[in-house]
Amino acid sequence: GAGVSQSPSNKVTEKGKDVELRCDPISGHTALYWYRQRLGQGLEFLIYFQGNSAPDKSGLPSDRFSAERTGESVSTLTIQRTQQEDSAVYLCASSFDPRNNSPLHFGNGTRLTVT
Amino acid sequence: AQSVTQLGSHVSVSEGALVLLRCNYSSSVPPYLFWYVQYPNQGLQLLLKYTTGATLVKGINGFEAEFKKSETSFHLTKPSAHMSDAAEYFCAVIRSSSNTGKLIFGQGTTLQVKP
Repeated sequence: GAGVSQSPSNKVTEKGKDVELRCDPISGHTALYWYRQRLGQGLEFLIYFQGNSAPDKSGLPSDRFSAERTGESVSTLTIQRTQQEDSAVYLCASSFDPRNNSPLHFGNGTRLTVT
Repeated sequence: AQSVTQLGSHVSVSEGALVLLRCNYSSSVPPYLFWYVQYPNQGLQLLLKYTTGATLVKGINGFEAEFKKSETSFHLTKPSAHMSDAAEYFCAVIRSSSNTGKLIFGQGTTLQVKP
């Protein structure tokens, strides 16, 4: 079956513009995660969804960042008034059952460049 | 707070040589431990994981890792490096008490394989 799909694969935007990043998880996966990967750094956790709820959004760096999930499926990560420090690869992952430590399956990411 | 340390941001080996990538975690209670690999412009792929049971874990592509509680380590090894092993490798943990499956990542180690 299809893996985790993210779109767009690349996004270039001007400072101050808003962007929306999309994630289509594997069908049936209840958990969905967003991570940020800055150049040469590890992955920073942003937010976790269980179903359509986000019980852990502790990693969102500022109130310019928000995310939602609908239909226990697609998720969008929105960054308002983008800044150059937002440039990074944004990775989405999903898993079947986090309570049993099911492995996370990652998408290929969206590379965001803020000019 | 839970943390993961990967010693050496870059490791270079010759083709056919032993690969050793180091990972240490900080936790009073052993977490669940994972190694992921990331090829250029791709998402992360699970190499192997340790949750319970046998401390020597075998993964894909000939990699293995050993959980050593006394050393709080989970180093990744492969007896003989292949050119296709060149990639970035991430060690990650989940708190054993977690029910969210949230992975905490190390900073990553880039493996270079020389012919």
